[in-house]
Amino acid sequence: DQQVKQNSPSLSVQEGRISILNCDYTNSMFDYFLWYKKYPAEGPTFLISISSIKDKNEDGRFTVFLNKSAKHLSLHIVPSQPGDSAVYFCAATAGHTGNQFYFGTGTSLTVIP
Amino acid sequence: AAGVIQSPRHLIKEKRETATLKCYPIPRHDTVYWYQQGPGQDPQFLISFYEKMQSDKGSIPDRFSAQQFSDYHSELNMSSLELGDSALYFCASSLGRARTPFFGQGTRLTVV
Repeated sequence: DQQVKQNSPSLSVQEGRISILNCDYTNSMFDYFLWYKKYPAEGPTFLISISSIKDKNEDGRFTVFLNKSAKHLSLHIVPSQPGDSAVYFCAATAGHTGNQFYFGTGTSLTVIP
Repeated sequence: AAGVIQSPRHLIKEKRETATLKCYPIPRHDTVYWYQQGPGQDPQFLISFYEKMQSDKGSIPDRFSAQQFSDYHSELNMSSLELGDSALYFCASSLGRARTPFFGQGTRLTVV
């Protein structure tokens, strides 16, 4: 049972434009969400996180939005750069029940120069 | 800055052999997580340790065992290897229950 879902396996965006990656979850107990970026043959690199007490967190070009009622979060990258091309995973955890993180299946972002 | 170190980076084993993967967390991190990522799949949680005690257990087969040592490094022991065990194995560490795991580069295990 996939508790974290990324329904778009791939996304292509022109350089300089906004990239929007989406993630949905089913477990209402999740209270902490993270986005990771992954290049081939490398480990996931932490990008940005958000706690369920917030609905937005911004770090430079990266902003994560959380809509708890819709059980949906999104990662906005603006402006997109060719170096952003990678697979992006969202992850979630219900911290008070343990520290298991559930990952989505990933979205492959290609930023076209 | 020091990162999570995993060794070896690549490992080839035959069916029914055993394998040991090692993970050295970021200094001062006391929580270690193990994940398995098969081809085209999302990372699947195997097991985690906090302060040398098992903290949480996921889809880890009975053929696998793991532990965290006094210096906080962790080892994943895999026995009776099967072809389906071929995957990338990631270790991550965090500071206490800080809840932001940082991942290592992974170990690619190939079972032939």
